[in-house]
Amino acid sequence: GESVGLHLPTLSVQEGDNSIINCAYSNSASDYFIWYKQESGKGPQFIIDIRSNMDKRQGQRVTVLLNKTVKHLSLQIAATQPGDSAVYFCAEGSGGTSYGKLTFGQGTILTVHP
Amino acid sequence: DAGVIQSPRHEVTEMGQEVTLRCKPISGHNSLFWYRQTMMRGLELLIYFNNNVPIDDSGMPEDRFSAKMPNASFSTLKIQPSEPRDSAVYFCASSLFQGGQQYFGPGTRLTVT
Repeated sequence: GESVGLHLPTLSVQEGDNSIINCAYSNSASDYFIWYKQESGKGPQFIIDIRSNMDKRQGQRVTVLLNKTVKHLSLQIAATQPGDSAVYFCAEGSGGTSYGKLTFGQGTILTVHP
Repeated sequence: DAGVIQSPRHEVTEMGQEVTLRCKPISGHNSLFWYRQTMMRGLELLIYFNNNVPIDDSGMPEDRFSAKMPNASFSTLKIQPSEPRDSAVYFCASSLFQGGQQYFGPGTRLTVT
């Protein structure tokens, strides 16, 4: 029979535009959040992380925003380039007995058009 | 830096056969993680080790799956016997310490026919 896979959200932007990728997380005990980028045929690559005692963190061309009230995480990419085209995953982790263990979201496909 | 090394990169095998996937973490990293990625279930953590000791194997799907880390520079994930539903990309990742940034390998694409 036909297999049913995950239907990943997609975001299509023009080169030079800003991109915003959203993620809702489920575990209110999570205190560490990470964004990964995965290009076709490669493993996930770390982009930026944020701890729960912060609500914003900036990197090179990227900003992560955390809203713990509504359990929402976003990744903003400034001046998006064709090389940014990939699948983007958010991941959450917590301390205690689960320290080090990450739970990944389903991913968002970003396509950047020249 | 060589990064995390996985072998083989591709594996095609028949149902019922034993499959062994290999991983060499980044030198000096103390934690190692095995993940499986499928279209159906996304990226799932199978098991992770800290200082060569398994910490959490709750993600291992069933007894057909086993993982070992005999030393700090080598780990294996074994499936015996393999089934078609095991077809996936298997990633190994390592981090400097438990809870640290995880660096992923290129993955092993497993196809079980």
